[in-house]
Amino acid sequence: LAKTTQPISMDSYEGQEVNITCSHNNIATNDYITWYQQFPSQGPRFIIQGYKTKVTNEVASLFIPADRKSSTLSLPRVSLSDTAVYYCLVGTMDTGRRALTFGSGTRLQVQP
Amino acid sequence: DTGVSQNPRHKITKRGQNVTFRCDPISEHNRLYWYRQTLGQGPEFLTYFQNEAQLEKSRLLSDRFSAERPKGSFSTLEIQRTEQGDSAMYLCASSPGTAALGYTFGSGTRLTVV
Repeated sequence: LAKTTQPISMDSYEGQEVNITCSHNNIATNDYITWYQQFPSQGPRFIIQGYKTKVTNEVASLFIPADRKSSTLSLPRVSLSDTAVYYCLVGTMDTGRRALTFGSGTRLQVQP
Repeated sequence: DTGVSQNPRHKITKRGQNVTFRCDPISEHNRLYWYRQTLGQGPEFLTYFQNEAQLEKSRLLSDRFSAERPKGSFSTLEIQRTEQGDSAMYLCASSPGTAALGYTFGSGTRLTVV
């Protein structure tokens, strides 16, 4: 499975845009990139998933360059409630024979 | 069906006792996963079911751990002879069988072994 590397922590202020980059140099052809958000004492929550280029939903945008060796989660105009741990995962659902592996994530702290 | 349900939310047990957790996945999801999470760490994969078949088990799943999904619906995770090191949040997730879709996690069961 492709290993991911992301910053341990980030700080931001309310209203700013936050970009969290994840490196996945060994990503395979069939792998998708998925980001999860986790609040204390809750299970991770799916945020966004992509394969290449750019994906946008109501919560975030995901930018994936052509070589797919990295990806950037972009959170527009963060608020205090965006303080959480963000996980980048790489894997495929196609075969269903391997589960996704979580790293340690990026702890985002949003200040007022 | 509003999501993945896990019971109990909290469990305190004495060392050496057996505990069992239950997970009810989203009804149309045929894949079910168990993860364990300790403080400050990401979730660690334990085991995975597709329908009733257990397709993958992590090396973390010692012989004291057993998981079942008897009819391809709910799942149970049992820990026998609990140890203090088993204290963690146990997370269940489910996903549909199609490609490129994320997991839906439950809120977890917090186990404390005293």
